[in-house]
Amino acid sequence: DVKVTQSSRYLVKRTGEKVFLECVQDMDHENMFWYRQDPGLGLRLIYFSYDVKMKEKGDIPEGYSVSREKKERFSLILESASTNQTSMYLCASSSAATGGGQPQHFGDGTRLSIL
Amino acid sequence: AQSVAQPEDQVNVAEGNPLTVKCTYSVSGNPYLFWYVQYPNRGLQFLLKYITGDNLVKGSYGFEAEFNKSQTSFHLKKPSALVSDSALYFCAVSYQKVTFGTGTKLQVIP
Repeated sequence: DVKVTQSSRYLVKRTGEKVFLECVQDMDHENMFWYRQDPGLGLRLIYFSYDVKMKEKGDIPEGYSVSREKKERFSLILESASTNQTSMYLCASSSAATGGGQPQHFGDGTRLSIL
Repeated sequence: AQSVAQPEDQVNVAEGNPLTVKCTYSVSGNPYLFWYVQYPNRGLQFLLKYITGDNLVKGSYGFEAEFNKSQTSFHLKKPSALVSDSALYFCAVSYQKVTFGTGTKLQVIP
C-alpha cells in the first residue's frame, strides 16, 4: 500500500512566521501535490511537482512556495504566514502526472492555524 | 476549461436503503473520472475510477459508479447503505489537470 506521511497533524503558528509543511511518500512516485481544503471550496491545488527540483504552480500559489530536493519528499513553505492561510493542507502523490488516469494517494492532512 | 459539480452539499439516507451521490462534469474531451471518500480527520481515499469501457464501474466497500457520457455525469451508488458509509465524498475529473468537486456529506441514519 502507498503511504503518504505528513509530518504534523496539527500546527499552530503566528502571523509573519515562516512555516514548513513536510510530506514523504514511499512508492517512488514521480508526481507529488499540495492542496488546501476549505469547507464549501473542496480541494484547491497549490503546487505540484513532476520530478526532483521541478515544480508547477497550481490554482492558488500566492503566498506559498515548495521544495523537492529528493524524490520522496515534497515540502510546502508559507513564506510569511497570514490568518487567511488557516486551513487543512493535504499532500498527495501519484504515478500519473496531473491529467492522467491513475489515482492520487493522500496523507492524513495538517490542520494549520495561524494566529 | 474543465469543471466538476456536486450539486448536493449533504445527502441523508436510511441504513439499508440505496444511496446515490451525484456528480456532473464539463470538459472538452474524454476525461478520467474518480471518486474519493474522506473520513473525519483523515485524507482522501480512492474509491473507484472510470477510464474507458463499461459504463458501470465497481470499486471499494461495495460502491459503484455509473458513467453517462450524454449527461456528462458520474454518479456514485451503493445498493444498501451502512452507517459506516457516513463520510465526505469527492468526485474528481482528470483531463488537462485534476479538478475536485466541493464534496458531498453523506449521512446514513440508523
